[in-house]
Amino acid sequence: DTAVSQTPKYLVTQMGNDKSIKCEQNLGHDTMYWYKQDSKKFLKIMFSYNNKELIINETVPNRFSPKSPDKAHLNLHINSLELGDSAVYFCASSTGNGANVLTFGAGSRLTVL
Amino acid sequence: AQSVTQPDIHITVSEGASLELRCNYSYGATPYLFWYVQSPGQGLQLLLKYFSGDTLVQGIKGFEAEFKRSQSSFNLRKPSVHWSDAAEYFCAVGASQAGTALIFGKGTTLSVSS
Repeated sequence: DTAVSQTPKYLVTQMGNDKSIKCEQNLGHDTMYWYKQDSKKFLKIMFSYNNKELIINETVPNRFSPKSPDKAHLNLHINSLELGDSAVYFCASSTGNGANVLTFGAGSRLTVL
Repeated sequence: AQSVTQPDIHITVSEGASLELRCNYSYGATPYLFWYVQSPGQGLQLLLKYFSGDTLVQGIKGFEAEFKRSQSSFNLRKPSVHWSDAAEYFCAVGASQAGTALIFGKGTTLSVSS
């Protein structure tokens, strides 16, 4: 049973389209995150939710909208996709209590043509 | 500003040789330090972490890291590298507050030659 699972693993789409990436964790963690890894492999935090509440919202275009229907799920919707959105998006979760040890999903590679 | 620096972008080590990957951090509060490994096409796997106590921490796959507060460093070491260790290694720093995100370094690519 995968602890943090993301779908889809690969996503190829045209500029201007809207797409979503889904994430689910079965670890019972309270906090979930979205990170973006660019072509140089740099990992940057985008959003974090704690028990469905948005607690971190970094400087990200408002075309990106996270949604957390419950504490086990965190989805990422992207409107009007641009070439620069091409990246690997990683979902992660942590207990959010005390020292945060993040458990990562396998990543979703988004390619915008 | 909070940051993590991994000075070496790419390192090549012979199989069986020892390894040290460098990590320096800048953090205003008591740092919690991590090393993660990313194999090609995979997610990040936690190798080890330091929260407090003994400054030499042991991790999985034979890795260890030493926290040196005076040098703001948390270098990763392995006495004998295996070909399967070839991967991307990330150092990260975080805090104890609930929901705080980890700040990652830019990573070091490890290649292993036979």
